Amino acid sequence: SAVISQKPSRDICQRGTSLTIQCQVDSQVTMMFWYRQQPGQSLTLIATANQGSEATYESGFVIDKFPISRPNLTFSTLTVSNMSPEDSSIYLCSVTYGGLTDTQYFGPGTRLTVL
Amino acid sequence: TQLLEQSPQFLSIQEGENLTVYCNSSSVFSSLQWYRQEPGEGPVLLVTVVTGGEVKKLKRLTFQFGDARKDSSLHITAAQPGDTGLYLCAGGSNSGYALNFGKGTSLLVTP
Repeated sequence: SAVISQKPSRDICQRGTSLTIQCQVDSQVTMMFWYRQQPGQSLTLIATANQGSEATYESGFVIDKFPISRPNLTFSTLTVSNMSPEDSSIYLCSVTYGGLTDTQYFGPGTRLTVL
Repeated sequence: TQLLEQSPQFLSIQEGENLTVYCNSSSVFSSLQWYRQEPGEGPVLLVTVVTGGEVKKLKRLTFQFGDARKDSSLHITAAQPGDTGLYLCAGGSNSGYALNFGKGTSLLVTP
């Protein structure tokens, strides 16, 4: 399985500001995803990060609020824009290697608190 | 969206007891994953099951995928405090790589 790192591991931000979260994988992967996990909740998919093209967003998430980049097969960023306290969550990236199953491997997460 | 229902939502047991967690859906999944998540960390993959009726064992953990590939169970034998965490099931669909996650079962094992 991949070694996945995320930066920052946690941050406390002021309302109205933006934060960019980085996800780095130690090997080339097929797919990269971004999830949000609100306190006490399960995981909700934000978007699929596509290499060299615009991300594919799930219902309820838009590019202006959560711009995503994926410049190559091992790196992606998620920006949380114009933050409000409701954006306080754990943000997780995950990857797949393709093949016969949809198994995903997760990074350690970024814990964001918005004041 | 293919919904996955997990039960129970919370479970508190003593060390040495056995337990079963269930993951049910009305939809068919091409594969199903179980993850364990500890506070402050990302989910860690425990197992992937792909064949209807499949049973996989991982030490004291036994995973079963229903014959119709709509449900799964996780059985833990002789639970230990180190088993404490949030257990998540996630199903893969034939339409792509997106996973649908259940709401999770929060397990607490006390000494």
